[in-house]
Amino acid sequence: NAGVTQTPKFQVLKTGQSMTLQCAQDMNHEYMSWYRQDPGMGLRLIHYSVGAGITDQGEVPNGYNVSRSTTEDFPLRLLSAAPSQTSVYFCASRQGRFDGYTFGSGTRLTVV
Amino acid sequence: QQPVQSPQAVILREGEDAVINCSSSKALYSVHWYRQKHGEAPVFLMILLKGGEQKGHDKISASFNEKKQQSSLYLTASQLSYSGTYFCGTGRLLANTDKLIFGTGTRLQVFP
Repeated sequence: NAGVTQTPKFQVLKTGQSMTLQCAQDMNHEYMSWYRQDPGMGLRLIHYSVGAGITDQGEVPNGYNVSRSTTEDFPLRLLSAAPSQTSVYFCASRQGRFDGYTFGSGTRLTVV
Repeated sequence: QQPVQSPQAVILREGEDAVINCSSSKALYSVHWYRQKHGEAPVFLMILLKGGEQKGHDKISASFNEKKQQSSLYLTASQLSYSGTYFCGTGRLLANTDKLIFGTGTRLQVFP
């Protein structure tokens, strides 16, 4: 099993550009989440999903959109990139609320 | 809403013990513990549920005080491989939600 796959691993964007970070899992997990990690801030929840067609906002949702059309995929869209969105982004999935998360390897995004 | 972890950093010699604490101002249903090594994704260690038993494997164990909304991670006879940043994540039992909120982390360094 591949687990949680994130693409790309690295990305540089110019301010104002848009892009989609991809996340796919092959474990048939219902729950998926996106986190961003900045030095000294820990992991902050952006958006999450409890199943296909169901998404909701986390702690820091502004500037990001998500959709969950299938169980496997949970893409994160940056609408208009800003330097404040420079961060490492992690996608994670778990089967249910009584299980631990499996994290992807992350996407390091730089906005210039 | 973000849980508070203490201490922020710990330095140990191999074989010494450590305790990392996590506290929340909200009523909790679950507490997760993860370890992240530099440049890698967080890795799930264990989950503690309200009303559940104290968890542990090998020389790492944890407890959950539901009344105080606090959890502690115990690392016994530390090994070099225990070095990394430890995060607690807290969850609340709310309908159709998966808001796992993480603390800012505790950096643990183990030296020979």
